[in-house]
Parts: sequence; C-alpha cells; structure tokens
Amino acid sequence: DSGVTQTPKHLITATGQRVTLRCSPRSGDLSVYWYQQSLDQGLQFLIQYYNGEERAKGNILERFSAQQFPDLHSELNLSSLELGDSALYFCASSPQGITYEQYFGPGTRLTVT
Amino acid sequence: GDSVTQMEGPVTLSEEAFLTINCTYTATGYPSLFWYVQYPGEGLQLLLKATKADDKGSNKGFEATYRKETTSFHLEKGSVQVSDSAVYFCALSEGGTSYGKLTFGQGTILTVHP
Repeated sequence: DSGVTQTPKHLITATGQRVTLRCSPRSGDLSVYWYQQSLDQGLQFLIQYYNGEERAKGNILERFSAQQFPDLHSELNLSSLELGDSALYFCASSPQGITYEQYFGPGTRLTVT
Repeated sequence: GDSVTQMEGPVTLSEEAFLTINCTYTATGYPSLFWYVQYPGEGLQLLLKATKADDKGSNKGFEATYRKETTSFHLEKGSVQVSDSAVYFCALSEGGTSYGKLTFGQGTILTVHP
C-alpha cells in the first residue's frame, strides 16, 4: 500500500459525459501528479500540482482540468468524454524536494461507452 | 523532446534465469533515471534509481547502471523468481522546469514460470 488513495476504482460512463476522479496523497506530501495509462499511448504525464498550485503540464487535453485543494487532495475533471478517453488514470505524490520518488495510487479505470 | 525506449516484450523466463531488460533514452540535459514496477492490479512502485552518470541503482536483487556514453539504463537480475512477474517501466526525469514530470517507456511484461 503506497498511502495514495484514489476513488472511484472503476467508472463506466457514456460519451459526452463529465466525470471527476479523486486522489488523496500520502500524508505530508505536497506534490500530486496525474498520469494516463492507455494501450496505444502508454503511460503519459498529464499535470502536476504543488501545494495547491499548478507546477508542470504535460499532454493534458483542454477538455481535462485538475485542481489541488487546501487539504492537498486533488481532483481530475474529464468532460465531453470520448471513447478514446477510456484508460487507467493514476495519481501519484512525492515527498518535498524529491520529485522523482513518486508513490502511485491504485488507479481509476475509466470506461467510456 | 525526451523519450525512453524499452525492449519489446513480453519476456518469459524460467525461475532462476538471468534477466536483462534494455532501456535507452533521449534527453537534452542530464536526466535522472528510474525503473518502476507494476504488479497486477496495482499502481507503479519505484524499484531503483540513478541520478548521475555511472551511478548504479539496486534494490531487491535488481540492478541498473546509468551509462551516459550509450544513453542506456538496462535492468538486470541474476536469478528471477515467480514473484518478479510484473510490468517493468524505465523512466527519466529532467528536473529543472519539468519539475517532477516522469517520461516512461512503453513497459515490458515479464512472466516467470516455476
């Protein structure tokens, strides 16, 4: 158990809908990262937050947005969903000053039908 | 941009066999290099790391050496066990303005038979 929690574990929704994925980092970690894992694109970095502020952005679509709240949990919002958004979405957190040592949650599997 | 290339899988071995999974990278600066492992149904776990050239990362019998001249970070283990069956990802981090962004290879599925 990495100490990072993600909810829900599975999500099935229809095209055009909007969903919210939730992540709670390990106790004491200020940085949160979101990754998307799909069969065709592999594991891709989406976005990083540090103590409530956006720190780095990767291949995140405009239909996707994220935020980190004062209690440090983070949410990833996916809207106007398409079939190609079906993937595993991982959240990770890291200790302060050691950004590469990322602890991953178990992931949320999103299926868009 | 940065990229990581891993050997094609899947890799199937018998218990106690020697393991090598090749990894090469392309980066503009001097990245840190990592191997992460993903067991079935779980998130990724950091297996080992190397932050500068010629560093050797090691953990749980696995080793990898940061070779700047060949831009490689191959993963090795002398004697694999059934419990090593998992997906292995090579990754790099540039740091700097990229902060904590990890760039991953495509992953290599390892299956170890008794």
